Amino acid sequence: EVQLVESGGGLVKPGGSLRLSCAASGFTFSSYSMNWVRQAPGKGLEWVSSISSSSSYIYYADSVKGRFTISRDNAKNSLYLQMNSLRAEDTAVYYCARGRGETWGQGTLVTVSS
Amino acid sequence: NFMLTQPHSVSESPGKTVTISCTRSSGSIASNYVQWYQQRPGSAPTTVIYEDNQRPSGVPDRFSGSIDSSSNSASLTISGLKTEDEADYYCQSYDSSSWVFGGGTKLTVL
Repeated sequence: EVQLVESGGGLVKPGGSLRLSCAASGFTFSSYSMNWVRQAPGKGLEWVSSISSSSSYIYYADSVKGRFTISRDNAKNSLYLQMNSLRAEDTAVYYCARGRGETWGQGTLVTVSS
Repeated sequence: NFMLTQPHSVSESPGKTVTISCTRSSGSIASNYVQWYQQRPGSAPTTVIYEDNQRPSGVPDRFSGSIDSSSNSASLTISGLKTEDEADYYCQSYDSSSWVFGGGTKLTVL
């Protein structure tokens, strides 16, 4: 069964940092691009970042560029999102999604508040 | 850059058919694939249509997708509505290397 499980969310103060992880199983992780998508409370979906299968290509939304870093470890079947200089507006559930969005994880909540 | 515009909400009765539109603001709707996601309250999104009109395995054939170049829009049609179809639906396409989402449509089945 294809599965994506996010972890690492929590409460952090403005200006702080957090690292999210996404553990993949049930498919050949190294063959797929991966993505992070977030959803603020009561709001719609917002694309955050994408990374190609070999990490050769990386893209960010303007709202997180320079603050967030996406990475992956194909040997560990894992995707990461390092989030620095966090702001209140980064508060959201963060989902990882495989490829062109065919599979999503259950999400992890990030709350940025003092 | 372009935007995808969806109606905020739609409602229909069980057993009926509903269509949700997704209009692209600039550029051709046909130039990039459109996906549709269903999100029930408290749950993660799941794909109901990919590549304009393809259904993932396990998604009933009551769900169908299409694109219309004349209106520069994509549509999700759900026939034989069931109460379990009540959810938020999002369209999504691509702008070079980024994903673009519509604002979402709340479907009420009453």
